[in-house]
Amino acid sequence: KAGVTQTPRYLIKTRGQQVTLSCSPISGHRSVSWYQQTPGQGLQFLFEYFSETQRNKGNFPGRFSGRQFSNSRSEMNVSTLELGDSALYLCASSRLREADEQYFGPGTRLTVT
Amino acid sequence: EDKVVQSPLSLVVHEGDTVTLNCSYEVTNFRSLLWYKQEKKAPTFLFMLTSSGIEKKSGRLSSILDKKELSSILNITATQTGDSAIYLCAVISSGSARQLTFGSGTQLTVLP
Repeated sequence: KAGVTQTPRYLIKTRGQQVTLSCSPISGHRSVSWYQQTPGQGLQFLFEYFSETQRNKGNFPGRFSGRQFSNSRSEMNVSTLELGDSALYLCASSRLREADEQYFGPGTRLTVT
Repeated sequence: EDKVVQSPLSLVVHEGDTVTLNCSYEVTNFRSLLWYKQEKKAPTFLFMLTSSGIEKKSGRLSSILDKKELSSILNITATQTGDSAIYLCAVISSGSARQLTFGSGTQLTVLP
């Protein structure tokens, strides 16, 4: 069974630009969550999607947004990039919204210059 | 606000040693605690512990949840260099916000 896939794996952007990251969950998994990982803050929850609806949102500014499609694939968008947005963005999927076991993808390494 | 604290922050051992990693938590309405292993890539799921499943074991790794002390330990016996990684502990509280709240992790280095 294929795992969670994320594209692109690496990305370099300039401050002020916007970026879109993509995540394909494990086949049959309907819940997708996004996390930001930085050396200073560790892993922090961004948001969770289930059945194309955002269910939960972490403590991040409105520049961070996302969506989920009918096939459970998800995208997250960051607008007006700041230097502090440089991080590893991880996507995790779980079979059901109530399932606590989450499986992570390889992540997208975003560098903002 | 949910809080997870892991200790030690880093640990260096030699192959064959046994290690114990600690995780303590403060959450409202505890639901589950998860352990992940992270090498230079995405976190890999190890165990999930809940009120109904407080002990898990897989090969040389085992984990116990202490509901009274609000903590968990991850034991690794007969360590190997391949065990070198960051071990992350995360908790989920029940309610509307089913998100993982992570600790800062323990960096384990196993020397040959």
